[in-house]
Amino acid sequence: AQSVTQLGSHVSVSEGALVLLRCNYSSSVPPYLFWYVQYPNQGLQLLLKYTSAATLVKGINGFEAEFKKSETSFHLTKPSAHMSDAAEYFCAVTVGSGTYKYIFGTGTRLKVLA
Amino acid sequence: NAGVTQTPKFQVLKTGQSMTLQCAQDMNHNSMYWYRQDPGMGLRLIYYSASEGTTDKGEVPNGYNVSRLNKREFSLRLESAAPSQTSVYFCASSGGTVSSYEQYFGPGTRLTVT
Repeated sequence: AQSVTQLGSHVSVSEGALVLLRCNYSSSVPPYLFWYVQYPNQGLQLLLKYTSAATLVKGINGFEAEFKKSETSFHLTKPSAHMSDAAEYFCAVTVGSGTYKYIFGTGTRLKVLA
Repeated sequence: NAGVTQTPKFQVLKTGQSMTLQCAQDMNHNSMYWYRQDPGMGLRLIYYSASEGTTDKGEVPNGYNVSRLNKREFSLRLESAAPSQTSVYFCASSGGTVSSYEQYFGPGTRLTVT
């Protein structure tokens, strides 16, 4: 069965520091992987997606993620945090093959310190 | 394009009352989804509709029913609300094809059951 684990429900970084949000997945079939961001009192917005093309995926707002099959990971990074990056981030993986359902991780709340 | 719209934005119900959450999308998407979001649990799939005329249970369907009214609209009904259904509900849609796995989310409905 597919599953997603996000290590660290809360992460704090200083403004200008590297952002690293961790996501590990379990899947019996090649997965499609996604990162979403949720700002307070809003819906989820797609940051980036991996769909079996390039393993290094670039998204919006300077974020990128690398698919590592050997480590079953899809960690999200940004070289320099900005105050506006403070939000909750969710990793998601497709369920099964040929299906468009997701399983979401439990989320990581990012706090950016001035 | 409005994207995915949800009504109402907020609702307070008493235990045992019923209500229907409405969702509509204007992106000509085939697939639609209902999730609930609870603190520390991420998003959990309640029901989904892979295409017009079909609906299927997700991870947490008990206490809910859905109707795919047409390609645009997908409603979620609580027949007899319980305090455990206090949550934020999100509707999402996706193209439902190999080239369009990503889901687009509405702004959410915050439901409190007293």
